[in-house]
Amino acid sequence: QKEVEQNSGPLSVPEGAIASLNCTYSDRGSQSFFWYRQYSGKSPELIMFIYSNGDKEDGRFTAQLNKASQYVSLLIRDSQPSDSATYLCAVTTGGGADGLTFGKGTHLIIQP
Amino acid sequence: EAGVVQSPRYKIIEKKQPVAFWCNPISGHNTLYWYLQNLGQGPELLIRYENEEAVDDSQLPKDRFSAERLKGVDSTLKIQPAELGDSAVYLCASSLGLFTSGLTDTQYFGPGTRLTVL
Repeated sequence: QKEVEQNSGPLSVPEGAIASLNCTYSDRGSQSFFWYRQYSGKSPELIMFIYSNGDKEDGRFTAQLNKASQYVSLLIRDSQPSDSATYLCAVTTGGGADGLTFGKGTHLIIQP
Repeated sequence: EAGVVQSPRYKIIEKKQPVAFWCNPISGHNTLYWYLQNLGQGPELLIRYENEEAVDDSQLPKDRFSAERLKGVDSTLKIQPAELGDSAVYLCASSLGLFTSGLTDTQYFGPGTRLTVL
């Protein structure tokens, strides 16, 4: 059974600081990794994806992947109150067209 | 470009009643997914369609749940009869598909239908 683990939080970070969100997965066959943001009462929206070991940057967001350690992380630089949300890590074995296996999400709170 | 459309947004029914949810994916997206999300949990896949074919329905409780995507575009998910434990948000998502996008294929979610079973 595929498992994706995230610390549910809440994770509290001061405004302007770096928020670090972590995720581990159990299936070594996982190939693509996605971070979604979900505001309360809303549907998940994609932040970014990664499928190669290393770092991938997109604006204030950096995704990091270490397949040997089965570990994915998301860094948010210059955190803003609008970044307060639940962040969902999702993995898939066959590329994004497979069904995603999600973690429970980490609740992030950015303190003004 | 219009996103994934779902209706209704909210539904309240009594247990043992039937209920249906409708989804229209992003134009040109071949792959359609139905997920269930309970409070405080991540979405869980119910069924995945490639065009009109259900290619993964292993997590769909087939005794009460059914789904169809007859013309390979919009889709309907049905529950009959509904149980108290079915109260959740039902999310529809779509993507271009593996053969188009490979590892970078990305799923886009609709707003969801919040079901309350009394």
